[in-house]
Amino acid sequence: GENVEQHPSTLSVQEGDSAVIKCTYSDSASNYFPWYKQELGKRPQLIIDIRSNVGEKKDQRIAVTLNKTAKHFSLHITETQPEDSAVYFCAASIPGRRALTFGSGTRLQVQP
Amino acid sequence: DAGVTQSPTHLIKTRGQQVTLRCSPISGHKSVSWYQQVLGQGPQFIFQYYEKEERGRGNFPDRFSARQFPNYSSELNVNALLLGDSALYLCASSLAGAGPGDIQYFGAGTRLSVL
Repeated sequence: GENVEQHPSTLSVQEGDSAVIKCTYSDSASNYFPWYKQELGKRPQLIIDIRSNVGEKKDQRIAVTLNKTAKHFSLHITETQPEDSAVYFCAASIPGRRALTFGSGTRLQVQP
Repeated sequence: DAGVTQSPTHLIKTRGQQVTLRCSPISGHKSVSWYQQVLGQGPQFIFQYYEKEERGRGNFPDRFSARQFPNYSSELNVNALLLGDSALYLCASSLAGAGPGDIQYFGAGTRLSVL
């Protein structure tokens, strides 16, 4: 089945710096890649997603890139702020398989 | 704006007991998925239901079962609880539960502790 690996597991940056989180997936048939943010004690919330027919997507300070050949995708957060501190999860889904396969998460800490 | 609601928020059970968790999807959503999130890990897929039928099942034992009701709410049942079942159980709703872009919206979860 699909396997998603995510790294780093923890990331500490200074406010205003950029943060990059990387994920790799195993099944080349995967065609949908969402990113969720989960603050302590709260529900995972979708922050951005990308489909396999697109190489890059941007939403204000957040961007996601996808390399289908290498089977990896990355989350980029620019001008980080303390409120960006949370655990971020990448996920992938395969057509016809009605499930998201999640990475193990990255705990991002933005130091003021 | 009513999001995905789950009940109860917390549960404490002992080994061997049975538990039922409940989920109400966003109005208009017909698909409900259940995930188990063990501390420090990403959510793992358990089940998906669409229009009251099971449409997907993850790699979980038969002790786990679920159902979806005519109003699209759902219950997850776990029998013969083990210590390893302690986790946050997340429910996610989506319009149809299929295909890229059918966004899954998560509830806040039920934290189950098995003693």
